[in-house]
Amino acid sequence: GQSLEQPSEVTAVEGAIVQINCTYQTSGFYGLSWYQQHDGGAPTFLSYNALDGLEETGRFSSFLSRSDSYGYLLLQELQMKDSASYFCAVREPPRDDKIIFGKGTRLHILP
Amino acid sequence: EAQVTQNPRYLITVTGKKLTVTCSQNMNHEYMSWYRQDPGLGLRQIYYSMNVEVTDKGDVPEGYKVSRKEKRNFPLILESPSPNQTSLYFCASSSTGTTNYGYTFGSGTRLTVV
Repeated sequence: GQSLEQPSEVTAVEGAIVQINCTYQTSGFYGLSWYQQHDGGAPTFLSYNALDGLEETGRFSSFLSRSDSYGYLLLQELQMKDSASYFCAVREPPRDDKIIFGKGTRLHILP
Repeated sequence: EAQVTQNPRYLITVTGKKLTVTCSQNMNHEYMSWYRQDPGLGLRQIYYSMNVEVTDKGDVPEGYKVSRKEKRNFPLILESPSPNQTSLYFCASSSTGTTNYGYTFGSGTRLTVV
């Protein structure tokens, strides 16, 4: 079956680094995406990995290991505004637009 | 401004009364999709569309209908709403012309069926 596993909650301190893991089990795989959602808001796209390795976008980085069916989102220099839920999502063939979301990780940031 | 517009933002209705949630995007995106979000269940796909007149079921299509008569619009129709369709709904779109396949989401519609 299709499944994405990510921790339900993570807590970190302002200014620190936090890693949010995602493991997936799908019948096929095109790529792994990450989205951020603040309370009451819409999900916003953060990053996409189609190949193994690290993609960096400012304070956020995303990593993928296809052989391990595993990825993570790394947030550096945490700010209070990073308090949000983070979702990993997998594009699953054969249809390009078949995207499955994980249940989300709630990130709590302590001052 | 590039955006996905959903209406209404909030809706309270009664069981069985047909309703439509509209979704429009101004980015000329081919892909459009509807999701519902419930506590502890994350985002679940209801229906999606690859282009005009092409729609397909997602993971939770029961009780919903969609249409894609124009590229920019993708309305969600609840013919006979029931209380278990109380949820937060998001419309999203993306383009085949990008390499990151990132979805742009609308602001959401919070639906309550009593």
